[in-house]
Amino acid sequence: NAGVMQNPRHLVRRRGQEARLRCSPMKGHSHVYWYRQLPEEGLKFMVYLQKENIIDESGMPKERFSAEFPKEGPSILRIQQVVRGDSAAYFCASSTAYGFTLHNEQFFGPGTRLTVL
Amino acid sequence: KQEVTQIPAALSVPEGENLVLNCSFTDSAIYNLQWFRQDPGKGLTSLLLIQSSQREQTSGRLNASLDKSSGRSTLYIAASQPGDSATYLCAVYDTGNQFYFGTGTSLTVIP
Repeated sequence: NAGVMQNPRHLVRRRGQEARLRCSPMKGHSHVYWYRQLPEEGLKFMVYLQKENIIDESGMPKERFSAEFPKEGPSILRIQQVVRGDSAAYFCASSTAYGFTLHNEQFFGPGTRLTVL
Repeated sequence: KQEVTQIPAALSVPEGENLVLNCSFTDSAIYNLQWFRQDPGKGLTSLLLIQSSQREQTSGRLNASLDKSSGRSTLYIAASQPGDSATYLCAVYDTGNQFYFGTGTSLTVIP
């Protein structure tokens, strides 16, 4: 059972370009979470998705950022018109379920390190 | 809003020593607390997960305790090894269905 997969591992973009980060959850996991780790800061929650649904996007910047988790294929975190401040490590995690009665351990991917020139 | 603090920010110990990492959180309304390890250039590795109803969890040389009422958790590492060198993060999953992470403790074990 492969772990959470993220690609690319490293991504370099120039200001104004688009960045697309992919996350394939562990087999059997239908819940995906995205986190961002800015330099000198801890991990910050961005968004939580189930298949075809955004459940909680309270941590997502209001502009330029979007996320999806289609019925087929990986979850995508998309950053439009990147700026230097977007440079960070973006981690994806997956779990089997999410809710008040299930306390699920999350499994993390290796992260995508985005550098904006 | 939940705030998670880890002390110390950095720790350097000689090989073989036992050590304790601390994590404190401001709101005791949590479902669980999780300790992670982060190695440079790699993702997070989950070490131990403690449910809110539990007091401690053990895995090998690691032992994590949780005192929910006082908002504290400790990660105890016995007989430290150079391979334990990494950044250790704690995270709480609170009843608002949010994860809050501490800023981590950077551990260096000197051979």
